[in-house]
Amino acid sequence: EPEVTQTPSHQVTQMGQEVILRCVPISNHLYFYWYRQILGQKVEFLVSFYNNEISEKSEIFDDQFSVERPDGSNFTLKIRSTKLEDSAMYFCASRPPRTALYGYTFGSGTRLTVV
Amino acid sequence: GDSVTQMEGPVTLSEEAFLTINCTYTATGYPSLFWYVQYPGEGLQLLLKATKADDKGSNKGFEATYRKETTSFHLEKGSVQVSDSAVYFCALSEKQAGTALIFGKGTTLSVSS
Repeated sequence: EPEVTQTPSHQVTQMGQEVILRCVPISNHLYFYWYRQILGQKVEFLVSFYNNEISEKSEIFDDQFSVERPDGSNFTLKIRSTKLEDSAMYFCASRPPRTALYGYTFGSGTRLTVV
Repeated sequence: GDSVTQMEGPVTLSEEAFLTINCTYTATGYPSLFWYVQYPGEGLQLLLKATKADDKGSNKGFEATYRKETTSFHLEKGSVQVSDSAVYFCALSEKQAGTALIFGKGTTLSVSS
């Protein structure tokens, strides 16, 4: 069964450093998403991406965040200057073309720890 | 805006007990509804879904029925197992292409033998 692949599974970074989280969505999917889950809390939407541009973003997704699809397969989330409160599990998800009827497929996540 | 409300956890049950996790939603449109499950240390997995009123989603013995009149999508299982211990998230998505999935806060289920 096709999978969404995220790397790394765990990243530790110092406050103020830039991090890039990587995702390989399912190949025929057209809609891509990033979500985060702070430990013990709800899963929060960050951003959606379609046709090489951001289609929707939440209040959390401020100027410190950016997304990119640099080639035909990868989808990245960059945090320019990490803060302690960015520590969370970050999930990538993708969705097939007929999006109205199908659920998202999530990757297994990247646990980001900012120290 | 759209939102999902789940019953507070944790829910603690003995093996073979009946499970209900309540979920209600608020939506501007006519959303699709989902239950996701997160096992310890793992990512989010789609458990079941329903896309229109009176649809029943089912998987692995779990069921949920889309009730438009009560804006609910309660998760049920007749006989839980220890392996069902996980966090369960109710979620909705409006049917417009590309819209975000909105999650409830999650309900932790702990099943003991």
